Amino acid sequence: GENVEQHPSTLSVQEGDSAVIKCTYSDSASNYFPWYKQELGKRPQLIIDIRSNVGEKKDQRIAVTLNKTAKHFSLHITETQPEDSAVYFCAAPSGNQFYFGTGTSLTVIP
Amino acid sequence: DAGITQSPRHKVTETGTPVTLRCHQTENHRYMYWYRQDPGHGLRLIHYSYGVKDTDKGEVSDGYSVSRSKTEDFLLTLESATSSQTSVYFCAISPIAAGYEQYFGPGTRLTVT
Repeated sequence: GENVEQHPSTLSVQEGDSAVIKCTYSDSASNYFPWYKQELGKRPQLIIDIRSNVGEKKDQRIAVTLNKTAKHFSLHITETQPEDSAVYFCAAPSGNQFYFGTGTSLTVIP
Repeated sequence: DAGITQSPRHKVTETGTPVTLRCHQTENHRYMYWYRQDPGHGLRLIHYSYGVKDTDKGEVSDGYSVSRSKTEDFLLTLESATSSQTSVYFCAISPIAAGYEQYFGPGTRLTVT
């Protein structure tokens, strides 16, 4: 199976600052890497994903970078806002399954 | 949100009783998954299905069984609930295995006393 490690487990930033969350994975065959956001009491929802043939992908204030050689990928949130406060999960596939990181609780301080 | 519902949304049960959770989808997606979410562990796969009557185990399958008799329904059964199975259970669906977005249901909060 896959081993996905996610850091940090908690992150506090001032509004307007950037936040970076990092994940590493073990299965070199993995080729799709999603990031999910989960607000308190809600379901996880996809915010951005990247495939292995791309090194970076951006969507407004959110970006994901992938380093296949080093087997790690990162979520970058710029100009953070209070509504970005949530738990973020990375995931990596192995076979028919996804393996999720243990989550990062992001708090944006107004 | 994708057409995916879970029932019940909340349940309190006693140790040793059987419990069945239902996941229903209207998207006609081939793949359905059951996860449990616990503090410090993220989302862990219990079982998944890749078609009607086709299921396989995930990383935390002990104490759980599943069934899928129709494309739209995926049932998770705890044969004899234990306190360690107190958790939030999420169902997810996807048209493709592990290479596409998974759409999650609203979750079921299960408490075993």
